[in-house]
Amino acid sequence: ETGVTQTPRHLVMGMTNKKSLKCEQHLGHNAMYWYKQSAKKPLELMFVYNFKEQTENNSVPSRFSPECPNSSHLFLHLHTLQPEDSALYLCASSQDLGRGLTDTQYFGPGTRLTVL
Amino acid sequence: GQQVMQIPQYQHVQEGEDFTTYCNSSTTLSNIQWYKQRPGGHPVFLIQLVKSGEVKKQKRLTFQFGEAKKNSSLHITATQTTDVGTYFCAGRLRSSASKIIFGSGTRLSIRP
Repeated sequence: ETGVTQTPRHLVMGMTNKKSLKCEQHLGHNAMYWYKQSAKKPLELMFVYNFKEQTENNSVPSRFSPECPNSSHLFLHLHTLQPEDSALYLCASSQDLGRGLTDTQYFGPGTRLTVL
Repeated sequence: GQQVMQIPQYQHVQEGEDFTTYCNSSTTLSNIQWYKQRPGGHPVFLIQLVKSGEVKKQKRLTFQFGEAKKNSSLHITATQTTDVGTYFCAGRLRSSASKIIFGSGTRLSIRP
């Protein structure tokens, strides 16, 4: 257990559905991240939040909508997804975005998403 | 765009043999981190390198950061079956603390 939890662990949805992924960290960190991990592709950084403010949007399609109500919680709202969006979605947190050891990322177990 | 290239993509070794994976960035990095992901698991932090030319060791693992802070390597001496997994480097750009780029990973498998 890394102190970062994600729910649900598995999700199957149709292209017209709306669903949300949830991430919670119990480490007192201030920075949170969403990553997409597809087969045979590198981990892709999607969004970064620092002290609840979005600091990075890595050209992610608008069908993915993040929300960070506080430093402990991060959501990824999904709507009208495509089959190619099927992947493992990983959440991570770090103490902050500093350039020392404080930016070590702790990953959650991920949500395995399948879009039919 | 900015990239971090990692090679090789796969490495299959006999238990006891050495293993090395290399990362090369198209741009200067602020720091580089290494993560290990076991099959079916999530990335777990191994180490961070910050200084130019830095070398760090963790038991059988040796990590290096290049003088120009654009490349890095991870070397495992005398591999064991517990070393199986995918090793990723992750570079944080000097120009933006939020910008992190992961290498594509090297998947290590081991013949007992």
